Amino acid sequence: EAGVAQSPRYKIIEKRQSVAFWCNPISGHATLYWYQQILGQGPKLLIQFQNNGVVDDSQLPKDRFSAERLKGVDSTLKIQPAKLEDSAVYLCASSLVRASYEQYFGPGTRLTVT
Amino acid sequence: DQQVKQNSPSLSVQEGRISILNCDYTNSMFDYFLWYKKYPAEGPTFLISISSIKDKNEDGRFTVFLNKSAKHLSLHIVPSQPGDSAVYFCAASALLNSNSGYALNFGKGTSLLVTP
Repeated sequence: EAGVAQSPRYKIIEKRQSVAFWCNPISGHATLYWYQQILGQGPKLLIQFQNNGVVDDSQLPKDRFSAERLKGVDSTLKIQPAKLEDSAVYLCASSLVRASYEQYFGPGTRLTVT
Repeated sequence: DQQVKQNSPSLSVQEGRISILNCDYTNSMFDYFLWYKKYPAEGPTFLISISSIKDKNEDGRFTVFLNKSAKHLSLHIVPSQPGDSAVYFCAASALLNSNSGYALNFGKGTSLLVTP
């Protein structure tokens, strides 16, 4: 079974630029999560999708971050414009059903904002 | 506000000995606890979990203990092996609402080094 795929793996941008990350969850997984992991911290949930609907985006900085999962499969997370404090690893995870504690993570995208 | 705390950033253990990783939490609504393991340049992988109705769960070399009154859980690895060297994250979950399911709250992680 293929795991959660993410691209790109690394991205370096200047502040005020825009960036987008892509995630393809495990086939058949209805729930998709985006996490931000700042160096030295644990992952922090940004947004959770159930199929193509948002079920929790309470910690998403909506003035600059946006995410979508149009067809209920792939998802894109965008930052526009980026700030220095956005430097982090962005992790995508998926789970089979909504009420599942066990989430499967992708390798992450390491973003550096200079 | 950090609701899940791992106060030891790092731990070094000799191969064959027991590794004990600790985790404390503050939110009494948490009802499920998990440990994730993370190697460099990889995403976290699920290791073991425990429901709040239990006080112990065992899976091979890994055992998780939960002390609800103390809001404390620990992960025991016996015997420790060099391949266990990784960052271990403690996570706790509570049902957000009937629509959203569960969100994981992670600690900062403990870096375990198992030396030969």
